[in-house]
Amino acid sequence: DADVTQTPRNRITKTGKRIMLECSQTKGHDRMYWYRQDPGLGLRLIYYSFDVKDINKGEISDGYSVSRQAQAKFSLSLESAIPNQTALYFCATSDPTGAEAFFGQGTRLTVV
Amino acid sequence: RKEVEQDPGPFNVPEGATVAFNCTYSNSASQSFFWYRQDCRKEPKLLMSVYSSGNEDGRFTAQLNRASQYISLLIRDSKLSDSATYLCVVRAGGFKTIFGAGTRLFVKA
Repeated sequence: DADVTQTPRNRITKTGKRIMLECSQTKGHDRMYWYRQDPGLGLRLIYYSFDVKDINKGEISDGYSVSRQAQAKFSLSLESAIPNQTALYFCATSDPTGAEAFFGQGTRLTVV
Repeated sequence: RKEVEQDPGPFNVPEGATVAFNCTYSNSASQSFFWYRQDCRKEPKLLMSVYSSGNEDGRFTAQLNRASQYISLLIRDSKLSDSATYLCVVRAGGFKTIFGAGTRLFVKA
């Protein structure tokens, strides 16, 4: 089993719909992250959480929200999806040193 | 100017070739540097950290030049399985980790 699991793996949704992407990890790490990846732009940080009670905005948090339900679970919500949120979304976790990030397999989201 | 810049490529090389990628970063306070590998439609995975003195892992050599603010990755004796996108990652401290957009490598038989 993967250390970081994302669901769903693929999703097509309509503009204006609310959608939740889920992430769970078995690494036992406190730090979790949500990124989006767009062609030519690299990975950009949406939100990060250093423990269950600590949630912080990343560089592109507008239009997104997150929930840290437990140490192992970190979900990302798009409150009202728009087409430019079409992207590949990755959840990741790291130990306190941040020396290595472990990524989920990604969720390919298409907003039509 | 992007905080981390990479040549997007693609680099097309024959098996057995040596290929090198560079990555420049803008924040002189950057502390840690990494190369990640990302296969098509897959998640990024750590390839190697980059140390100030340079480091080698088999066919891969990473180097850091703080004065010129760039890091490099050298791949010797390229294999077909090396075909992937290589992401340069720079961390300035705390949570601020910046991923480059990646350099695509195709190794052909």
